[in-house]
Amino acid sequence: NAGVMQNPRHLVRRRGQEARLRCSPMKGHSHVYWYRQLPEEGLKFMVYLQKENIIDESGMPKERFSAEFPKEGPSILRIQQVVRGDSAAYFCASLKGPGETQYFGPGTRLLVL
Amino acid sequence: GNSVTQMEGPVTLSEEAFLTINCTYTATGYPSLFWYVQYPGEGLQLLLKATKADDKGSNKGFEATYRKETTSFHLEKGSVQVSDSAVYFCALATNAGGTSYGKLTFGQGTILTVHP
Repeated sequence: NAGVMQNPRHLVRRRGQEARLRCSPMKGHSHVYWYRQLPEEGLKFMVYLQKENIIDESGMPKERFSAEFPKEGPSILRIQQVVRGDSAAYFCASLKGPGETQYFGPGTRLLVL
Repeated sequence: GNSVTQMEGPVTLSEEAFLTINCTYTATGYPSLFWYVQYPGEGLQLLLKATKADDKGSNKGFEATYRKETTSFHLEKGSVQVSDSAVYFCALATNAGGTSYGKLTFGQGTILTVHP
């Protein structure tokens, strides 16, 4: 059973470009969390999704950030018009259902030049 | 709101030394508590967990006891190895229902380096 997959592992963008981060959950998992880890900090919750549904987006910045988890395919975290402060590691975690153990992917390290 | 505070790092130990990483929390209700480990360039792996007061989580020689009276969940290992070098995160998740159920709140992480 493959683990949680994230791609790309590393992403470099210039200010103003768009970043798309993908997360493929473990087989049988229909829920996904996204977290952001700023340099030398712990992970901070961003958004919680179920297939075709946003459950909790209270951790998402109000502008430029969006997330989706379609019926088919990976979950996508999209950052429009990136700024240097968006440079961070973005982790997703998948789980079977609410309150179940979260299994983390290896992360995408975004660098904004 | 929920919060987790870990002891400041980094922590540097010699092989076979005793390890303690302190973790205290603030939460509404009765959360579940976790320790995650992050090896360089990798994602987080669940190390151990405890879901109610006085529970002891254990795995790979690591232990932590859920202390409700002191709101703590300190991580301990009797004899560390070089391969234990990693970043350790304490975290909690609320057990109440609603949209925040299961959402993890993390401490800032503690870097552990073990020398031969």
